[in-house]
Amino acid sequence: QKEVEQNSGPLSVPEGAIASLNCTYSDRGSQSFFWYRQYSGKSPELIMSIYSNGDKEDGRFTAQLNKASQYVSLLIRDSQPSDSATYLCAVNPDTGGFKTIFGAGTRLFVKA
Amino acid sequence: DTAVSQTPKYLVTQMGNDKSIKCEQNLGHDTMYWYKQDSKKFLKIMFSYNNKELIINETVPNRFSPKSPDKAHLNLHINSLELGDSAVYFCASSQGGLAVYNEQFFGPGTRLTVL
Repeated sequence: QKEVEQNSGPLSVPEGAIASLNCTYSDRGSQSFFWYRQYSGKSPELIMSIYSNGDKEDGRFTAQLNKASQYVSLLIRDSQPSDSATYLCAVNPDTGGFKTIFGAGTRLFVKA
Repeated sequence: DTAVSQTPKYLVTQMGNDKSIKCEQNLGHDTMYWYKQDSKKFLKIMFSYNNKELIINETVPNRFSPKSPDKAHLNLHINSLELGDSAVYFCASSQGGLAVYNEQFFGPGTRLTVL
């Protein structure tokens, strides 16, 4: 069974802190990895994609990928109350680009 | 301006009825998807289409029948609705093909309630 696992949280951090969200996946051949943000009652919104080992930074967001450990993470620097949402980790397994497996999501609360 | 649109936004119906949800994307993408998000917020793929052809069918009951008249549209018809079908259904699209082109854009969702 190909799976993507996340800690469901909630993860609570104070405003201005770094939020660290983690995800592991079971299919070693997975090709591409994504983080989506979903506000309550809204649709998922892509915030980061990463395809190679290492770090990828975009503004306050940094995605980290370690294929050997089958681990992907998202760091949110200078967390803001508006970052409070559910963060979904998503993985494309080695079968190609037509199937994406989502984790159950981690709920993040940023306290003002 | 809407990239991926779905209609209707809300759907309330009785058990046993048949209903359809429509989806359109104006992004020029080749691949479209249907996802189901249940009450626990778990997002699970149901179908994916590439250039109007069914690529993925994730063991969805055959009461669910997707149709793609062209690559900009993917509709979902559900027969004999059951209580367990109550969920939010999301349509999404991506450039498609190789996994590296699978950044997906989601529609606003259709909240289906079966009474």
